[in-house]
Amino acid sequence: SAVISQKPSRDICQRGTSLTIQCQVDSQVTMMFWYRQQPGQSLTLIATANQGSEATYESGFVIDKFPISRPNLTFSTLTVSNMSPEDSSIYLCSVEIVTGETQYFGPGTRLLVL
Amino acid sequence: GENVEQHPSTLSVQEGDSAVIKCTYSDSASNYFPWYKQELGKGPQLIIDIRSNVGEKKDQRIAVTLNKTAKHFSLHITETQPEDSAVYFCASPTGNTDKLIFGTGTRLQVFP
Repeated sequence: SAVISQKPSRDICQRGTSLTIQCQVDSQVTMMFWYRQQPGQSLTLIATANQGSEATYESGFVIDKFPISRPNLTFSTLTVSNMSPEDSSIYLCSVEIVTGETQYFGPGTRLLVL
Repeated sequence: GENVEQHPSTLSVQEGDSAVIKCTYSDSASNYFPWYKQELGKGPQLIIDIRSNVGEKKDQRIAVTLNKTAKHFSLHITETQPEDSAVYFCASPTGNTDKLIFGTGTRLQVFP
């Protein structure tokens, strides 16, 4: 398995501001993903973070709102831009050590937008 | 694309009883079916998974069964304990990708 950490663990932000969430893994992984989990809901994939290239976004998510970086095989960031109260969610990163194998999740970042 | 349905949405059992959660999927090409447990304030934790070349897999009190013909898979927890109380999610990849589509979740409560 992999040990995954996320920073910050939680935050309260004002509407119109942006927040960058970091995901750090203790070993090199092939795949990194970002998910959103709205209150009391299931997980929805935002995008696949590609190392050294632009992320691949799912339907309904755009780069201007959720810019993602992945500079190496152990680290990725997700920015939630120009936030509104509707962005209040848990944001989770997940990784695959080997492509096509098990996905492991980080502890999540709990975001509240006022 | 893949669609995953999960039932029931809530499940309450007495300690020591068994709990069963069922998921159905739509993509007949899906070949990997993980189950995650999410405790309050934590990220999802993989508890068991199964690939399409087997029909059942067990790990102590937890088992997963797969029926590829009917396109459904189930999580079975025996001898439930209060610490099994959590939200459980099934998932399945969409198409020939690593992208997981999650079920809607089942909130399991085990009463002492």
